[in-house]
Amino acid sequence: GAVVSQHPSWVICKSGTSVKIECRSLDFQATTMFWYRQFPKQSLMLMATSNEGSKATYEQGVEKDKFLINHASLTLSTLTVTSAHPEDSSFYICSAAATDTEAFFGQGTRLTVV
Amino acid sequence: GDSVTQMEGPVTLSEEAFLTINCTYTATGYPSLFWYVQYPGEGLQLLLKATKADDKGSNKGFEATYRKETTSFHLEKGSVQVSDSAVYFCALRDFNTGGFKTIFGAGTRLFVKA
Repeated sequence: GAVVSQHPSWVICKSGTSVKIECRSLDFQATTMFWYRQFPKQSLMLMATSNEGSKATYEQGVEKDKFLINHASLTLSTLTVTSAHPEDSSFYICSAAATDTEAFFGQGTRLTVV
Repeated sequence: GDSVTQMEGPVTLSEEAFLTINCTYTATGYPSLFWYVQYPGEGLQLLLKATKADDKGSNKGFEATYRKETTSFHLEKGSVQVSDSAVYFCALRDFNTGGFKTIFGAGTRLFVKA
């Protein structure tokens, strides 16, 4: 299957700082990328859907000013957690898909805010 | 909206036991169905998929059949191994009406004892 690379795999940051997570599709062009959040022992919650070159569509309850998503090219999307707080600590997973194929998932980023 | 319901865990089995994890879905369109596996501290791996009614997905001894009449996609394995211990997520993706996003079930944690 196609490869989606997510970086970093883990990050620790201080409260109040911002953290950027990258999601790259390595061997295909992803028209759509998705960002998920997973709390311990829970399922994946979709945060937002982004299409290359346009604004992301956020799910209800997700703060768009806090979770900035940029999808500048067909192979790269970034999620920036702004002014992070301990409650933002979580496992963030991206997925990427071409038009009507299955979605491929990155390996996830564990964010810890101290 | 579209949704996925899967049996609650954890499921604890002895090695070589038969595994069934139930999954049912609701969808307005004709979704593709997936099973993903997540090992501790890792991202998601696609285990198997089925794209239309009566299709059977299979991989690594796991099987699931897309049953449109019962809106189900139950995961089965004839003889589990300790290495199968993980969390299993049933998911759907409705290319026609779902905006390409993947909807996940809550996940079922499987423990296999030696």
